[in-house]
Amino acid sequence: RKEVEQDPGPFNVPEGATVAFNCTYSNSASQSFFWYRQDCRKEPKLLMSVYSSGNEDGRFTAQLNRASQYISLLIRDSKLSDSATYLCVVNLYTGNQFYFGTGTSLTVIP
Amino acid sequence: DGGITQSPKYLFRKEGQNVTLSCEQNLNHDAMYWYRQDPGQGLRLIYYSQIVNDFQKGDIAEGYSVSREKKESFPLTVTSAQKNPTAFYLCASSFRGGEKLFFGSGTQLSVL
Repeated sequence: RKEVEQDPGPFNVPEGATVAFNCTYSNSASQSFFWYRQDCRKEPKLLMSVYSSGNEDGRFTAQLNRASQYISLLIRDSKLSDSATYLCVVNLYTGNQFYFGTGTSLTVIP
Repeated sequence: DGGITQSPKYLFRKEGQNVTLSCEQNLNHDAMYWYRQDPGQGLRLIYYSQIVNDFQKGDIAEGYSVSREKKESFPLTVTSAQKNPTAFYLCASSFRGGEKLFFGSGTQLSVL
């Protein structure tokens, strides 16, 4: 079983749409959670850290559900520039290892 | 500006050749990592290091070697034993356990 699982998509949505991605993790001892954005052949860049209380940054909202072991990312009012791959990342403090989902591909269509 | 510098951006390897990818950071981070990314796949951990002069194998360490002689530097050598080295290689660092990862811009390695 993979440590982190994501729906690979692709998600093709029109501009202005709201889209949600989910990610599940297998290790209940996981301590910190992140969403990264990766453009084609570029490095991943941190989009948001994810906290138990949920957090929002402009059009982006992230939620963590520890009981069900999943995290989510909601993008409102999608822009063309949101087209990218979104990576779910989980960290176990033990050994300081990070586990990555395979990414969810988003294309926002004019 | 603080950050992680990877070089070269593109690298070509001949059959039987060892090549070394450079990774330098000036963020004063303790932990450094090397990942491999193949098209359409997620990142896979090759090696990581939490302190100077210590490093641990990741999930796909065979055919690779690393060193961590300085806190700022974590070079990766792709040896001739790695039979399928073509991939996008990413170096990353983090300050301490649980802190977010910062990535270098990556090296695309191809076989001639």
